[in-house]
Formats: sequence, structure tokens, C-alpha cells
Amino acid sequence: DGGITQSPKYLFRKEGQNVTLSCEQNLNHDAMYWYRQDPGQGLRLIYYSQIVNDFQKGDIAEGYSVSREKKESFPLTVTSAQKNPTAFYLCASTGRETQYFGPGTRLLVL
Amino acid sequence: QKEVEQNSGPLSVPEGAIASLNCTYSDRGSQSFFWYRQYSGKSPELIMFIYSNGDKEDGRFTAQLNKASQYVSLLIRDSQPSDSATYLCAVMLVGMAGNNRKLIWGLGTSLAVNP
Repeated sequence: DGGITQSPKYLFRKEGQNVTLSCEQNLNHDAMYWYRQDPGQGLRLIYYSQIVNDFQKGDIAEGYSVSREKKESFPLTVTSAQKNPTAFYLCASTGRETQYFGPGTRLLVL
Repeated sequence: QKEVEQNSGPLSVPEGAIASLNCTYSDRGSQSFFWYRQYSGKSPELIMFIYSNGDKEDGRFTAQLNKASQYVSLLIRDSQPSDSATYLCAVMLVGMAGNNRKLIWGLGTSLAVNP
């Protein structure tokens, strides 16, 4: 069953806490992306990676960090420096030029 | 700043009608154009992509591209209530060295198909 998985589906963050969102793909795609979507808003790019061990900042990277140690995995850490983390987080990967999305993780602040 | 613009809507059409969704983009060098559908609370799903000027048809969906006018549209024939969703237009931006590919997204058009 090929595709992109994200976990957890819902995540609750306490004040001052770092949390990590998981993204795994078995599509053999080189490029992976993290987006943030706020209610009624468009997709904003946080970080992206074109190849293992390399990644670039997107438009709203402050308060976030990523790693790309394996082709299949691109975890996103929401750090305590991100003051307004409540949003829907979407992971995507690109094969040739077509981008596919995981089901998303909804992050809420306690 | 590369931009993609869409009317936010809502666009309301009766069941069985043709829904027409429009998108303009600022980067004249763009080569790849995509339409995604997003249901409320769900992730975007790819409907169609188009690279060449003209029309591309897939079932009830037709994408139309006019690079001279920097305009791409999506037509949905025989609209169904299940087509009610937000439709996102995206344009591929490619870095100078041919790498660093990323999509530039419009804010989406909300479509409501009324039974």
C-alpha cells in the first residue's frame, strides 16, 4: 500500500514544549515538503528537501526544524520558539513534478 | 515575489451545471500547472496537471492553459454535490540550476454545488 503517512493525526503541545511530527513515504520520491495551513488560509511552505541530507528553508521556517537522514523520512519539529503553532500540518513528496500529500497532522496548543 | 491568484468565492452552481474555476500566475517562465481539490479537514488531492497550451480533459474535468495570458482554468462538467470543496491552483517554480523545485499556491476557490 504505497503512499505518504503522517503521525499522529492529532497532537497537543504544552507551553514551552518541542514536538515532532512524523512523515514517511514509500513512493521512492526524492523531494519532500512540509506545509502549514491555517483555517481558511492557503498552504505556506515551512521546509523542503530535494535529496537526503539536504534541506532548505521555505517561507515560514522560523520556529521549526527538520532532518532528512533517510529518503523515506522527513520529520518536522515544532520548537518552543514557534509562538503560534496551532495549525494543520501537511507533508508532501514529489515524483518527477507531481506532488502528493499525506493525510496531515492537526497540532493544538494546551 | 512569484504569485498565483484565485478568486476566493464561494462559487455556487446548481447540480448538473458547468463550474469554471480560474487562476492567474505572475512567473512567465512557469512550465507546470496543477489543480488540487481539498475537502474540509482533509489534505489536498491532485485532480489534474497541464504543461502545454490548450485543453486537457480527464473525465468530467478539463484544464485549460494559456501561457500568453498567464491563465489556467479548470472546468467541471455535470457538477455534483460531491464536487463541493476548495480547489487549489499551483504553479511549479524551478530554481536557476534546474533544482529546488517547489509549488507556488493560490489561496483556493470554494465551490458549492447545490442539489
